[in-house]
Order: sequence, then C-alpha cells, then structure tokens
Amino acid sequence: KQEVTQIPAALSVPEGENLVLNCSFTDSAIYNLQWFRQDPGKGLTSLLLIQSSQREQTSGRLNASLDKSSGRSTLYIAASQPGDSATYLCAPEPDRQAGTALIFGKGTTLSVSS
Amino acid sequence: NAGVTQTPKFQVLKTGQSMTLQCAQDMNHEYMSWYRQDPGMGLRLIHYSVGAGITDQGEVPNGYNVSRSTTEDFPLRLLSAAPSQTSVYFCASSASGVNTGELFFGEGSRLTVL
Repeated sequence: KQEVTQIPAALSVPEGENLVLNCSFTDSAIYNLQWFRQDPGKGLTSLLLIQSSQREQTSGRLNASLDKSSGRSTLYIAASQPGDSATYLCAPEPDRQAGTALIFGKGTTLSVSS
Repeated sequence: NAGVTQTPKFQVLKTGQSMTLQCAQDMNHEYMSWYRQDPGMGLRLIHYSVGAGITDQGEVPNGYNVSRSTTEDFPLRLLSAAPSQTSVYFCASSASGVNTGELFFGEGSRLTVL
C-alpha cells in the first residue's frame, strides 16, 4: 500500500524566503505526481503535475522535482509571499489499471509573514 | 466556469438518517471521485468512477454508496449516518479515464452527524 509522508508538517517563514517542501512515497511505481494547494475552508487546487517520465515541472515561482527511484518529490517556492500561506499536499498516482487512485500526503501548512 | 459543484455546502444529520451529497461537473470528465478529509488523517478516497456505469471502492467505502448514471453526476449516499461520518467531503474530477491527469476539486461539503 502506498504511503505518503510530507515534511515538515508546518512551516513559518518571513516574506521573501525561498523554501522547500518535501514529499516521500513508498511505492515508486507511479504514473505521475501532483502538488496541490488548499486554502482554509476551501477545496484543493492543482498546482503542478509531473509525469513519471519528467524530472521537474515549473509554474511561475513554483518548481517541483520528482525522483521516482528514491521515492521523493520536492516543491520549491521562490521569494515567498503572504499569499502563499496555505496547506500544500502531494499525491502520487499509481497506474490506475492496477485499480487504485491518488493517495494524498497529510500536507505541509505554510505561513508566510509580511 | 462552474467546474465541480457540490451541494449542500453544510449539513447536520441525526444518527441513522440517510442523505445524498450531490456532485456535478460540466467539463465532460470521465473520472470522478469522492474523498473525505479529517483532521490528522488527511484525504482518504471513498469511491471513484472511471466513466458512466463504472464505479469502484476506495480506501474507506463502508457506509457509503455511489452510482454513475451520467457523465456529469456522481452522488454519494450515506445509508445510515453515524457520528464517525462527520467530516468534510470533497468531490473531484479529471479528464482521463485511465490515469488522472489534472484533478479538479469542488469546494467541499461539511457534514456533522449528531
């Protein structure tokens, strides 16, 4: 059974810092991996999707990397802003033909102070 | 831009009552799923569907029923509500029927069972 761990569980930083959120997973036979953002009381929004054949994906100040062999993904946020404050979740997806679906980590709650 | 719409947003039930959480998407997505989110437990998959007429169980299916008679709708039925089903429920959809691709979430339905 796939298990997903996100470290740290919570992170507080001043505005402007570059930061790294970590995601590890136990089963490296994944099809892709997604990073999501969740604001309090809201649903999840997909930030980045990395296919298994890719090493990284970038969107604006966000960069996500994937190392399938070691079961790790990182989300790098450059020049953090107060608007980045949210919970960030990673979700690796096994091949659905195996009859499973995305498994989510418990998330990293980020607080960026101005 | 409706996306994924969930109703109701809030609901209070008494133990033993039944109800249906509605989920509709207007993106012609094949894949739809239901998750529940509980403090300290993260998001857990209840049921999912890879197309009209096809459903399958996720990690925590007991006490819930689903059906998929149309591409647009994927209702979640609680047969006899229990306090353990107090949670926030999220419906999600994506374009791909085999593997997820970008996953779109609804805003959530907060359920309290007394």
